[in-house]
Amino acid sequence: GAVVSQHPSRVICKSGTSVKIECRSLDFQATTMFWYRQFPKQSLMLMATSNEGSKATYEQGVEKDKFLINHASLTLSTLTVTSAHPEDSSFYICSAREWGRGTNQPQHFGDGTRLSIL
Amino acid sequence: AQKITQTQPGMFVQEKEAVTLDCTYDTSDPSYGLFWYKQPSSGEMIFLIYQGSYDQQNATEGRYSLNFQKARKSANLVISASQLGDSAMYFCAMREGDSGGSNYKLTFGKGTLLTVNP
Repeated sequence: GAVVSQHPSRVICKSGTSVKIECRSLDFQATTMFWYRQFPKQSLMLMATSNEGSKATYEQGVEKDKFLINHASLTLSTLTVTSAHPEDSSFYICSAREWGRGTNQPQHFGDGTRLSIL
Repeated sequence: AQKITQTQPGMFVQEKEAVTLDCTYDTSDPSYGLFWYKQPSSGEMIFLIYQGSYDQQNATEGRYSLNFQKARKSANLVISASQLGDSAMYFCAMREGDSGGSNYKLTFGKGTLLTVNP
């Protein structure tokens, strides 16, 4: 089945650090990837839609300069949390749609990244 | 208004019994898809089942079935013969629009925490 790899799985760093999270589709091509944020015991909130070769589409209220997204190839999207602060601590999870598949195909999720900013 | 409503924050079921997790949705788009995902405590999102708005029959995948009542805008997940490993958070999600009109964004409900008791 379709596999999405997300790294790192856990990050603990100091306030002010920038953190990059990678999302890779291992056995399929993904023109579209999605980045979600999830607080404890809450639902997934879509942050942005990452499109290969073009700018990401951010959801309302998400700071573009804070959460930089790059989708440079059909198998890799990255999310960089710039100058992270404790309030950015959260669970970040990416997903990808397999290119060329029908609308009934699910998004395949990575295992997520737990980000803790001290 | 919420697009996806899951009214059960938590559910308990005895091992080997069946359980129904509720999901109602709100959309004016005639073309949409409904997905159920399972999220164990480890965090990964596991796709369970899909129902398209034009599907005539209720979807089934092994022990999972979807009770799709289009007029009532409900898409309840039924898990038969519950197992201890079914204990997890369950999310209902909706994709609106067809392949031309949407970028396959998903909107998630708040989730239901299912606990299977031995």
